Amino acid sequence: AQSVTQLGSHVSVSEGALVLLRCNYSSSVPPYLFWYVQYPNQGLQLLLKYTTGATLVKGINGFEAEFKKSETSFHLTKPSAHMSDAAEYFCAVRQSGGYNKLIFGAGTRLAVHP
Amino acid sequence: GAGVSQSPSNKVTEKGKDVELRCDPISGHTALYWYRQSLGQGLEFLIYFQGNSAPDKSGLPSDRFSAERTGGSVSTLTIQRTQQEDSAVYLCASSFSGGGRGQETQYFGPGTRLLVL
Repeated sequence: AQSVTQLGSHVSVSEGALVLLRCNYSSSVPPYLFWYVQYPNQGLQLLLKYTTGATLVKGINGFEAEFKKSETSFHLTKPSAHMSDAAEYFCAVRQSGGYNKLIFGAGTRLAVHP
Repeated sequence: GAGVSQSPSNKVTEKGKDVELRCDPISGHTALYWYRQSLGQGLEFLIYFQGNSAPDKSGLPSDRFSAERTGGSVSTLTIQRTQQEDSAVYLCASSFSGGGRGQETQYFGPGTRLLVL
């Protein structure tokens, strides 16, 4: 069965600092991996996804993530945090078996302070 | 174009009452999903519709929960005899197709925040 672990339920960074949100997955098949962001009182918005091909994936708002099979990781990074990045971030893996339902991690709340 | 819409945005009900939550997917999307987001459980899959195929109901937590999708478009999630533990945000998502490869992006609605008193 697939599962996702996000290390750190809360992360706080200074504006301009590096953002690193950690995600590890377990999957018995080649995974499809996703990062979503949720702003307060809003739905989830896709930041980026890995399916096949290049392991470094670039997404919206300057975020990127690298799929590392050997480490079963898909960490999300952004070189320089902006105040508007404050939100909750969810890593997800697609469940195998021909279905498209997502299995989510518990989420990481990112705070950005001046 | 319009995104996924959900109604109502907020719903307060009394324990034991039935509630209906509505989802309008993006036009042309054949796959539709319901998820629940709660403090204790995080984001959980509930049910999935793909075209005219039988829905995948494997995530529904009890027989009090049911969902239907009419005409391949609008979906309604019904919770009967609501309990306080049903309090959560119910999120709907749709994608262009859901079968097979699973690469398709799921687009989420803003959710319905349900509070059971």
